Amino acid sequence: GENVEQHPSTLSVQEGDSAVIKCTYSDSASNYFPWYKQELGKRPQLIIDIRSNVGEKKDQRIAVTLNKTAKHFSLHITETQPEDSAVYFCAASRETSYDKVIFGPGTSLSVIP
Amino acid sequence: EAGVAQSPRYKIIEKRQSVAFWCNPISGHATLYWYQQILGQGPKLLIQFQNNGVVDDSQLPKDRFSAERLKGVDSTLKIQPAKLEDSAVYLCASRESSTWGGYTFGSGTRLTVV
Repeated sequence: GENVEQHPSTLSVQEGDSAVIKCTYSDSASNYFPWYKQELGKRPQLIIDIRSNVGEKKDQRIAVTLNKTAKHFSLHITETQPEDSAVYFCAASRETSYDKVIFGPGTSLSVIP
Repeated sequence: EAGVAQSPRYKIIEKRQSVAFWCNPISGHATLYWYQQILGQGPKLLIQFQNNGVVDDSQLPKDRFSAERLKGVDSTLKIQPAKLEDSAVYLCASRESSTWGGYTFGSGTRLTVV
């Protein structure tokens, strides 16, 4: 079945440094890749997404890159701040009316002030 | 627009008891999902509805879990009987069928089975 792997499982960075989280997916038909941020005790919230027709997308301090050939995609956070501390989930799906989103296991990011 | 509503927020039950969770999706959202999130893991899809029909329930442990969305709006997920390993947060999510993109999660129900 479909599978999404994510690395690292935990990541600590100094405030102001960059953080990179990498994911791979198994379903070659996947064409939509959202990223969710989940703060402790709260619901996952969509922070950025990318579709397979583009290789990179940026939104202020966060960016995602996609390599469809290699079936991997990454989240980049620059100038990290303490409020970036959370668990980040990558996900993949085929963008059809009936398809579900498959989540990776998550990366716990800690930004040290 | 109102978000995805879920209740209760917390539930503690003994093993072998039954429990039910309720979800009211965003108005007009035809697609509804139930996910199980065990502590330290990513959400795992249990069941997906399109209106009142089941699209995917391949990961639902059907010997103990059931779900329904009779009128194509709100949905109920039931566990009977509960096991210790069912302790998790149960997340409901919804989206419009005609739009692509990530969907909106509810706040979840945290279930503890003791």
